[in-house]
Amino acid sequence: NAGVMQNPRHLVRRRGQEARLRCSPMKGHSHVYWYRQLPEEGLKFMVYLQKENIIDESGMPKERFSAEFPKEGPSILRIQQVVRGDSAAYFCASSLGMEQPQHFGDGTRLSIL
Amino acid sequence: QQQVKQSPQSLIVQKGGISIINCAYENTAFDYFPWYQQFPGKGPALLIAIRPDVSEKKEGRFTISFNKSAKQFSLHIMDSQPGDSATYFCAGRYSGNTPLVFGKGTRLSVIA
Repeated sequence: NAGVMQNPRHLVRRRGQEARLRCSPMKGHSHVYWYRQLPEEGLKFMVYLQKENIIDESGMPKERFSAEFPKEGPSILRIQQVVRGDSAAYFCASSLGMEQPQHFGDGTRLSIL
Repeated sequence: QQQVKQSPQSLIVQKGGISIINCAYENTAFDYFPWYQQFPGKGPALLIAIRPDVSEKKEGRFTISFNKSAKQFSLHIMDSQPGDSATYFCAGRYSGNTPLVFGKGTRLSVIA
């Protein structure tokens, strides 16, 4: 499968715990984007990264949320001290380069108890 | 502030009919307009995309019509099939900036 891989597909956390979402981009893609989707809503941009760099994090809450895309390994979206409002589907997309089409993974459904 | 407005929210079409979904955008700096198709439990899949320098783009049964002066674009699905039943999202992207700005989606149901 050469597509964007996200894991886990489903993640359940209790309030106050940490959530780590992983994304492996398509082969050869060095641009990664994270989006959040609430029920009956479109996707909302969170953060855009290239290898080892955050390019645009304007859509990501300043507190509790962080993202990285290391030189080796997947991109990680990290949510600390989760709250009920963090429950959503989180999608990762990758592209070959800037202004190239973005291809999405099947998302991680995060549920907060 | 919703930069891409999509309508209708839901749509029911008879098999073989034409499905039409409309989007309007506010910012003239957008230079790329993709449509995505999403099935339940799956991620959005790129369906077709257009740039403002053309008024229409067709790929198989799917056509995008683009009206630059009105800042509107629409997706037409010809000969709609039950397998087309999904949620469709339009989006826009700024020139030189890569995050996509999505509409809220249209849930399409094609009935036999």
